[in-house]
Formats: sequence, C-alpha cells, structure tokens
Amino acid sequence: RKEVEQDPGPFNVPEGATVAFNCTYSNSASQSFFWYRQDCRKEPKLLMSVYSSGNEDGRFTAQLNRASQYISLLIRDSKLSDSATYLCVVTAGTGGFKTIFGAGTRLFVKA
Amino acid sequence: NAGVTQTPKFQVLKTGQSMTLQCAQDMNHNSMYWYRQDPGMGLRLIYYSASEGTTDKGEVPNGYNVSRLNKREFSLRLESAAPSQTSVYFCASSARGVATNEKLFFGSGTQLSVL
Repeated sequence: RKEVEQDPGPFNVPEGATVAFNCTYSNSASQSFFWYRQDCRKEPKLLMSVYSSGNEDGRFTAQLNRASQYISLLIRDSKLSDSATYLCVVTAGTGGFKTIFGAGTRLFVKA
Repeated sequence: NAGVTQTPKFQVLKTGQSMTLQCAQDMNHNSMYWYRQDPGMGLRLIYYSASEGTTDKGEVPNGYNVSRLNKREFSLRLESAAPSQTSVYFCASSARGVATNEKLFFGSGTQLSVL
C-alpha cells in the first residue's frame, strides 16, 4: 500500500465548476500536510498547507481528518489556469526528508 | 532571487555513461534534496543533506552518489547510467531541515533519458 494515495484522475470539469480531490495517508504519526501544484513539465510548488481546523485561501479550501487519515482539497469557481496536477503531501516526522508525495491528481478545466 | 537552480534541463546518456546534475540555492537553506519523478508515482527521495557536511540515503539511493559541496550546492552523480534511471530529477531545498512543517522549494527539473 502506498503511504499517500490520491484519486486517480484525471478530472475534466467546465469553467466555474467546483471540484474536490481526496487523499489518504497510512502513517498515523504524520504531522504536517500540504497540497502542492505541479504544472505540466514544471516543478511542484506549494499551494497551501492543511491545518486540523481546515483552512481557506481564496477559492481553495483544505480539510484534514486525522481520525480517518484523510485530506481534501476543494476548488470553487474553477478557472482554466487551475489545470494542473495536484499533489497531496504528508510529512511523517521532523525534517523535510520525511516528506512523502502522492502520485498526484490531474485536473483539466475546459472553457 | 533565483531560488533553486539546477542544470542541465535535458540530458541524453548511453547506458554506462556517467554524469553529474548540479543544484544550487540562494535562499540560505540548510537542507537540500534530490528527488526523481516517474509516471504514476509520487516524487521519490534519492538522497538528502540535512545540513552542510552531511548526506543521507533516501528511498531510492542505488546507482547514485551525492556531494554537498557547500551550503549552497548539492550535486547528484550517476556513475554508470542505466535505462531504469530515465526520469525527471528535481532538486529541492528547505529552510531548517528539522521542523515538522518543512516547505520544499524545487528547481525546474532535469529530464534525463538513458538509452
């Protein structure tokens, strides 16, 4: 079993749609959680951290359920520019070398 | 600031050839990392350097060596390239290397093909 598993995708949605991505992690000792965005043939970039109380950044909302070991990302009012791969990322302990990446979910937003 | 700079962007090797991927960061970060990314898989850690003067194996170190030349630079060497090493390689850095919420900053990647 992979340590971090994501929806396989791809998700194809029209502009303006709301789309949700899910992610589960296997290590109950995981401490920090993130969503990274990766454009085609580009490097991953941090989209947002995920906090236990849930957090929002504009059109993006992230949720964490520690009991179920589940993370979600909600994108409202999708834009063409949101087309990318979204990586669920979990840190299993202290230090960046404990960072585990999911395989990613591809999103295509269509006009 | 340039952030994390890695070279080259593309490379084609023949089986058995050697090469070094270079990485430098100008953010005064303590920790640096080398990842590989293959289709359908998450980024996998090859080697990391928690601080200047130290290096450690990650999840997939076989066939690679690294050098932390100074605080800024962290190179990855393939001594005898194999087709299984065809991948996209990313260098990354993080500020302190000891926090639980380490955010990673990535270079633009190297597309390596081994024939």
